[in-house]
Amino acid sequence: DGGITQSPKYLFRKEGQNVTLSCEQNLNHDAMYWYRQDPGQGLRLIYYSQIVNDFQKGDIAEGYSVSREKKESFPLTVTSAQKNPTAFYLCATIRQGRDTIYFGEGSWLTVV
Amino acid sequence: GENVGLHLPTLSVQEGDNSIINCAYSNSASDYFIWYKQESGKGPQFIIDIRSNMDKRQGQRVTVLLNKTVKHLSLQIAATQPGDSAVYFCAEKDFGNEKLTFGTGTRLTIIP
Repeated sequence: DGGITQSPKYLFRKEGQNVTLSCEQNLNHDAMYWYRQDPGQGLRLIYYSQIVNDFQKGDIAEGYSVSREKKESFPLTVTSAQKNPTAFYLCATIRQGRDTIYFGEGSWLTVV
Repeated sequence: GENVGLHLPTLSVQEGDNSIINCAYSNSASDYFIWYKQESGKGPQFIIDIRSNMDKRQGQRVTVLLNKTVKHLSLQIAATQPGDSAVYFCAEKDFGNEKLTFGTGTRLTIIP
C-alpha cells in the first residue's frame, strides 16, 4: 500500500544525544514536511523540502537538522542543541501541483 | 515565534446541534486553506479544503467559509455526533513556496 512510514513510533533519548527520526514515502510526492506537536497544542513547522537536495527552515528549526538526498526519504535529526525535544513529531507529504496532504502516524520522542 | 504554554481553545456542543469553529490566518499570500481533524495520538485527518477564489464550500455535514477581507476561516459541522469530538486545525498554504502552516487548533467536545 502507498503511504508514509515514520519510525520509530516511540523513542527515548538521553540528554546530550542526537537522535534521528525516519520518514519514508512511496507516494512519489515532491514536498515533504516535519511538524512538532506538544501536548494540547497545535502543529509547528520545523523544516520542509520541495525537491530533492533542497529544504527550507520552518518556524522552529533551531536544534533540528534534515536532509533530502532521495525523493522518498526526509529524515529529521533532533540534536543536543534542542533543549526541550519531548514532543510528538509528524511527517507529511504533498504532491507537486496538488493539494491533499498526507500524514504519517507520528513519532513520540521523550527525553529521559 | 514559539507558542509554548498556549493551550487549545475549547468548544462544547450538545449532540445534534451545529458547531462553528473559527480560525484567523496571517499570510495574505495564502491561496489554499484546509481543515483537519486530529484524534488523540494520531496524525491529522483531512476534512475539507477551499481555494482563495471561493468563499464557501460544502461537504458532507461540513461547510467551510472563507473571508479574505479579514483573513478568517470557519468550519461548520452540522448535526454533530460523538465521533466529531477531536481537535480541529486550520492550515494555510502559499503556492509560491509550498509552505504549509497550521493554526493553533480548537478542541471540540460533543456532549451526549
